[in-house]
Amino acid sequence: SQQGEEDPQALSIQEGENATMNCSYKTSINNLQWYRQNSGRGLVHLILIRSNEREKHSGRLRVTLDTSKKSSSLLITASRAADTASYFCALNNAGNMLTFGGGTRLMVKP
Amino acid sequence: SQTIHQWPATLVQPVGSPLSLECTVEGTSNPNLYWYRQAAGRGLQLLFYSVGIGQISSEVPQNLSASRPQDRQFILSSKKLLLSDSGFYLCAWSDGTAYEKLFFGSGTQLSVL
Repeated sequence: SQQGEEDPQALSIQEGENATMNCSYKTSINNLQWYRQNSGRGLVHLILIRSNEREKHSGRLRVTLDTSKKSSSLLITASRAADTASYFCALNNAGNMLTFGGGTRLMVKP
Repeated sequence: SQTIHQWPATLVQPVGSPLSLECTVEGTSNPNLYWYRQAAGRGLQLLFYSVGIGQISSEVPQNLSASRPQDRQFILSSKKLLLSDSGFYLCAWSDGTAYEKLFFGSGTQLSVL
């Protein structure tokens, strides 16, 4: 099963700025999900976008999906220090499993 | 509401010792259950998943095994730990009716010395 590849691996921004993370993949998917992980903790689901959807919003989060380019992006607007975490994309393309990418480590400086 | 419990939070074990990590889910029935391992600063590797009692699928050959003795209990075991078994172990569950989101436990940091 395929993995998504996040880009960049690490991102450092100032509070109030927007943060954009990207995820690319190689084969077709049923849905793509984004998760957040605070250091030393479990992952928390943020948002799910299906293969027939192009954009979804949740609070300060905006996710886009371009199936022709096999890529997705996660935008966090007006970032806060509390947004500091690792962000993972996860692919669902078959069966009951999700495969996770290596993640983007986001640091938001106050 | 559904909750997932995973313990212990941290574990330090000598090489060659056995391992047993337990995960339980409350507030749902017939969940899909998963064990993932995460190396420091890396992504998640799926180790095992289960769609029902006694049904275990392994994703990678390794020194570990999993069991599901009850509907909402998932156990990760090893008879003899290796140094390479060190890592952050995460249990998760999902609704068995759809390939939707996962809910994760708080993880176990295992150090094999």
